[in-house]
Amino acid sequence: EAQVTQNPRYLITVTGKKLTVTCSQNMNHEYMSWYRQDPGLGLRQIYYSMNVEVTDKGDVPEGYKVSRKEKRNFPLILESPSPNQTSLYFCASTPLKPTGPNTEAFFGQGTRLTVV
Amino acid sequence: SQKIEQNSEALNIQEGKTATLTCNYTNYSPAYLQWYRQDPGRGPVFLLLIRENEKEKRKERLKVTFDTTLKQSLFHITASQPADSATYLCALVTGTYKYIFGTGTRLKVLA
Repeated sequence: EAQVTQNPRYLITVTGKKLTVTCSQNMNHEYMSWYRQDPGLGLRQIYYSMNVEVTDKGDVPEGYKVSRKEKRNFPLILESPSPNQTSLYFCASTPLKPTGPNTEAFFGQGTRLTVV
Repeated sequence: SQKIEQNSEALNIQEGKTATLTCNYTNYSPAYLQWYRQDPGRGPVFLLLIRENEKEKRKERLKVTFDTTLKQSLFHITASQPADSATYLCALVTGTYKYIFGTGTRLKVLA
């Protein structure tokens, strides 16, 4: 089954304790991205990657890191989480055509992160 | 700054009627625009994509229009059903492949 898998689904952590949210896709997509979703602010792109070892900042990259060492995996790293990073996070993947990621994005099931 | 607005935070309509949702954008020249459906606690699910050189796209009971002069997309659900109740998101993809999402419209179809 084609899917994007995020882990964990729920996470409660304390301020300053480094954490990683994993994302894996089995569709051989080139383009992967991370979003956070907050009430009233909608989905905001954190980072995206167009292929292995190629990453770019989205609209809200501060406080986050990503890496793309393999095509299928795109982990999101919070080196020193703070309460304002409490949010619902989504990973997504898209095949990258010559004209861009102009097909549907497949989203993971989400990770609800609480930083206390 | 770059901005996308979906004109209604919430929209209630009667079953069988046509729901029309609006997405307006400023300061973009998007290559294409996408519409997604999101149910509570779930990830968005792709519905339709329309390119800048297309005026209209249809899929079953769904129709999307794209007016690059007005900088607006309209999303229509005809013969709406209670099962269509969800939040609908529009998204632009920029020339540098960034995704910009609107805040969504929560549609409720009343039986």
